[in-house]
This record gives sequence, structure tokens and C-alpha cells, in this order.
Amino acid sequence: DVKVTQSSRYLVKRTGEKVFLECVQDMDHENMFWYRQDPGLGLRLIYFSYDVKMKEKGDIPEGYSVSREKKERFSLILESASTNQTSMYLCASSPAGNRNQPQHFGDGTRLSIL
Amino acid sequence: KNEVEQSPQNLTAQEGEFITINCSYSVGISALHWLQQHPGGGIVSLFMLSSGKKKHGRLIATINIQEKHSSLHITASHPRDSAVYICAVGEAAGNKLTFGGGTRVLVKP
Repeated sequence: DVKVTQSSRYLVKRTGEKVFLECVQDMDHENMFWYRQDPGLGLRLIYFSYDVKMKEKGDIPEGYSVSREKKERFSLILESASTNQTSMYLCASSPAGNRNQPQHFGDGTRLSIL
Repeated sequence: KNEVEQSPQNLTAQEGEFITINCSYSVGISALHWLQQHPGGGIVSLFMLSSGKKKHGRLIATINIQEKHSSLHITASHPRDSAVYICAVGEAAGNKLTFGGGTRVLVKP
């Protein structure tokens, strides 16, 4: 069965810390995505990657960066965490080529910045 | 950028009732997705459709491309159907999705 694994379900960090959220997929998918989900705003795309070392900004990239050194792993980095980055973060992956493929989601990381 | 609107935002039903959730979008798409998110966060894909109708168990999804509208129906609803249902549209070019705000469904026994 397909699997997208996020490293933590819950995470608490302090303002100003550098925070790493990790995502690993075992489906050999080319595309990987990072979203944040906030009440009333739905899922919003932060960054996505369509290949190793390739990345594109999504709708809300400010305050975030990403790293994709290996095909199976996509990391989201909060360079200097702030309280407005408290949110649910979801990783997803999908195969390349045919656009009409569903994305497979991880279970999410609920991040609190104090 | 596509705008995706879902209605209603919240829905409460009695077990056994027929449920309909609506989704409308503003710009041409490659496909429309219906997703389910249970408490705890994990999201699963229910349907992906670009025309007509799909059925899986008690769930039915329809799409009208001309009207830019889709519906998700749950027949004979059950408390385990309680979840947030999310509509997402795939842009005509590329791999990105634009998401609706979700519909929170509560089915009471």
C-alpha cells in the first residue's frame, strides 16, 4: 500500500527556532507537496517539488524553505519560527506525467510555536 | 487562480439520511477531486473525476463541466461518515491543486 510518512504528529517549538519537518514517500513519486491547513482557510500550498533538487513556490512560501536531496524525501524548513506559523502541516506526493492522478497525503504534523 | 467554493460549511444529519455536498469552481480544470479528512488529520482521496459520475459504495460524485459544479452524495449515512469533505480542482496545466474550504459533516446515531 502507498505510504507518505511525516516525521512527527505533534511538535512544539519556540519563536526564533529553526524547525525541520520531514516527509518520506515510498511510491517513487516525482511530485511532492507541502501544505498548511488553517481553520476557515483550507489547505494552502507552501512549496512543491517535481524532481530531486527542483522546487517551486506555492501560494504562501514566505518564511519557509524546502529541500529535496533524494527522491523519496521532502523537507520543509521554518528558518526562524514565528507564532503565525502555528498550524497543521500536510505533505503529499503524486506521480509525474499524467496530471489526473490523486495526491497521497501523510497524516499531518500539528505544529505549535510558542 | 481558481476559486473553489463549497457548501454547506457544516452539516448535521441523522443516521440513514441522504447527504449532498456541493462544490463550484471558477476556471477550467483538468480534474476534480473529493477528499475525506477524519479527526486526527489524515486525508484520503475518495474520487477523481473529469466528467460524468463515479460511485464507490455509498458515495456518489458527479460533475457538470459546463456549469463548473460538482456534488458529493452520501446515501444511507452512518456515524462513521462523520468527517471533513474537501473538494479540490486540478489546474488545466501542471500538477497543483486548489482546495475548497471543506464541509464538516456530523452524522448522529
